[in-house]
Amino acid sequence: DTGVSQDPRHKITKRGQNVTFRCDPISEHNRLYWYRQTLGQGPEFLTYFQNEAQLEKSRLLSDRFSAERPKGSFSTLEIQRTEQGDSAMYLCASSPTGSNQPQHFGDGTRLSIL
Amino acid sequence: DAKTTQPPSMDCAEGRAANLPCNHSTISGNEYVYWYRQIHSQGPQYIIHGLKNNETNEMASLIITEDRKSSTLILPHATLRDTAVYYCIVRGFNQAGTALIFGKGTTLSVSS
Repeated sequence: DTGVSQDPRHKITKRGQNVTFRCDPISEHNRLYWYRQTLGQGPEFLTYFQNEAQLEKSRLLSDRFSAERPKGSFSTLEIQRTEQGDSAMYLCASSPTGSNQPQHFGDGTRLSIL
Repeated sequence: DAKTTQPPSMDCAEGRAANLPCNHSTISGNEYVYWYRQIHSQGPQYIIHGLKNNETNEMASLIITEDRKSSTLILPHATLRDTAVYYCIVRGFNQAGTALIFGKGTTLSVSS
């Protein structure tokens, strides 16, 4: 399978704990995106990388959230001091460089905060 | 906010064509129309996109009106596995790095 891979698929944690998610994009895709999706809503943009550079961040990305993409390959999204409102599906997408290339999504990590 | 309007739900009989409408009356000249779908518990799946000409691929056909203010996604022979939420999104030509803005989409239910 050469699609976008996300790990873990499910994460259950207690409020106040830190969590980290990983995304492996499609090979040769320079662009990588993180989205968050809550129940009944469409995905909402969090942040975007072009290779290793983080070029755009949504105001949804509070200071408890940090994303990295070392060496421009896989990416991690960390949430510190988790809160109930962080419960959501976290989706990763990637696309090649070039205008209007579609983004391809992974199946997400579902985070549940107890 | 999403720049598109879609009906919240539609039904389709298995084997029939599913025609999903989308209004994007404020679309500008350099904005493309993208369609994605999301099956329960999976990530969104890219279906098709177009600028002004009709497009067809192995999954679907996209018909864009001449004034580009609306479009229709056609699944020619719907199956039960096509039951999903379908999202219509407009996106600019030079905005390859920016976010996709998802609305609430259309929930398509295919029944036997």
